Amino acid sequence: AQSVTQLDSQVPVFEEAPVELRCNYSSSVSVYLFWYVQYPNQGLQLLLKYLSGSTLVKGINGFEAEFNKSQTSFHLRKPSVHISDTAEYFCAVTRIQGAQKLVFGQGTRLTINP
Amino acid sequence: KAGVTQTPRYLIKTRGQQVTLSCSPISGHRSVSWYQQTPGQGLQFLFEYFSETQRNKGNFPGRFSGRQFSNSRSEMNVSTLELGDSALYLCASSLSSWGDASIETQYFGPGTRLLVL
Repeated sequence: AQSVTQLDSQVPVFEEAPVELRCNYSSSVSVYLFWYVQYPNQGLQLLLKYLSGSTLVKGINGFEAEFNKSQTSFHLRKPSVHISDTAEYFCAVTRIQGAQKLVFGQGTRLTINP
Repeated sequence: KAGVTQTPRYLIKTRGQQVTLSCSPISGHRSVSWYQQTPGQGLQFLFEYFSETQRNKGNFPGRFSGRQFSNSRSEMNVSTLELGDSALYLCASSLSSWGDASIETQYFGPGTRLLVL
């Protein structure tokens, strides 16, 4: 079975500051990793994904994430945040082989203060 | 290309009733998955359908069921509603349930918010 731990439930930052949202996972098999964003009263939007290859993955809206297999982490970063980045962010994993089933972390609420 | 659509967007039911939610996947997508999102339990996988067959199921009681039609549209049904079924129900579609990693990404709809009174 897979599990995902997002280490911070809430992260407040000032506008234009850098931010890192932390995600650790546990799995006995190889997995794919994802970050999704959920704006208020909306569904989930894919930010970026790691399938294979380069461990640094770039996504939409200036976000990037680094896959670290030895530390089983997939932290999300942005060098300079904007008010519009205020949202809830979810880290997720799925097995490479077989079932299409995303396992999500509990989410991190990112609040950007002016 | 149109995204995943879900109907209705909002729904209010009373305990003991049943409800049916609908999901239309992105054109060409054959896999449809359903998730339940609640403040306490977070996002939890309900089930996944591929080519009209349930391919995977989460840990939910039998009151939760679903089906997929030949055009890949999917419905989920919850019978004998309980207060704890109040949640945002999200549908996601992807090109295929198996195989090429690059097409495994799930794309989510806006959800149906169900309130059980």
